[in-house]
Amino acid sequence: DQQVKQNSPSLSVQEGRISILNCDYTNSMFDYFLWYKKYPAEGPTFLISISSIKDKNEDGRFTVFLNKSAKHLSLHIVPSQPGDSAVYFCAASARVSGANSKLTFGKGITLSVRP
Amino acid sequence: GAGVSQTPSNKVTEKGKYVELRCDPISGHTALYWYRQSLGQGPEFLIYFQGTGAADDSGLPNDRFFAVRPEGSVSTLKIQRTERGDSAVYLCASSLTGQTDTQYFGPGTRLTVL
Repeated sequence: DQQVKQNSPSLSVQEGRISILNCDYTNSMFDYFLWYKKYPAEGPTFLISISSIKDKNEDGRFTVFLNKSAKHLSLHIVPSQPGDSAVYFCAASARVSGANSKLTFGKGITLSVRP
Repeated sequence: GAGVSQTPSNKVTEKGKYVELRCDPISGHTALYWYRQSLGQGPEFLIYFQGTGAADDSGLPNDRFFAVRPEGSVSTLKIQRTERGDSAVYLCASSLTGQTDTQYFGPGTRLTVL
C-alpha cells in the first residue's frame, strides 16, 4: 500500500506559468515532508521541506503548502522555467516516532515546462 | 566539496551471481541510507546506518541482501544469488546526523540482472 501518493504521473505547463504538483499521504505518523527533483541519470536533489507544525514554506520560486487535516501537500513553482523540467518526488518521514529519518517516497511526477 | 559517490554507475550480471555496490558518503556524515528504485516507482528504503552499525534494516527484501559500513564511512551493499527482480537503480544517501538533517543522494548504481 502506497503511504505517499502522487496520483498524476505527469504535468505540462507553459514557461512563466505556475506549476502545481500534488501529493497525498495516509500515514498519520508522518511529520516531515520533502520534495526532491530528479534529472535522468542523476540522484534525487533536495528541493524544499516542511515540518508538520507549519502550513507553508517558501524558498525563492518554490513554495510548499501542507494541509494536515486533508493529509495533502503541494509544491508550487512560480514562474516555471524550462530547466525545471524533471521528475519531482514527494517524500515523508516520521521523525517524532524514532531517531531514524528514513524517507517514504511517492512514485514521482514528470514535469515538462514548454518554452 | 564532494557529494555522495557510488560505484559502479552500471552493473550487468547474470542470474545467480554475487554483486557488490559501493557508496562513499559526504565526509563527516554519520548517517547513511540505501534505497532501491524500480522502474516507474519512487525510491524505497532498504537500510540505515548510524556510524558503523545498521540501525534499521527493515527494508531489506530478504536475506540475500546485506550491507556493511565497517569504518563508519564507505558502505557496501551486497546481493547474493541475484534474481531478475533485483534489477533496479540502487541509491545511497547520507546526512549529517540522521536525526533531522536533509539526505543527500548519490547518482545511483543501475543494476541489471540478465
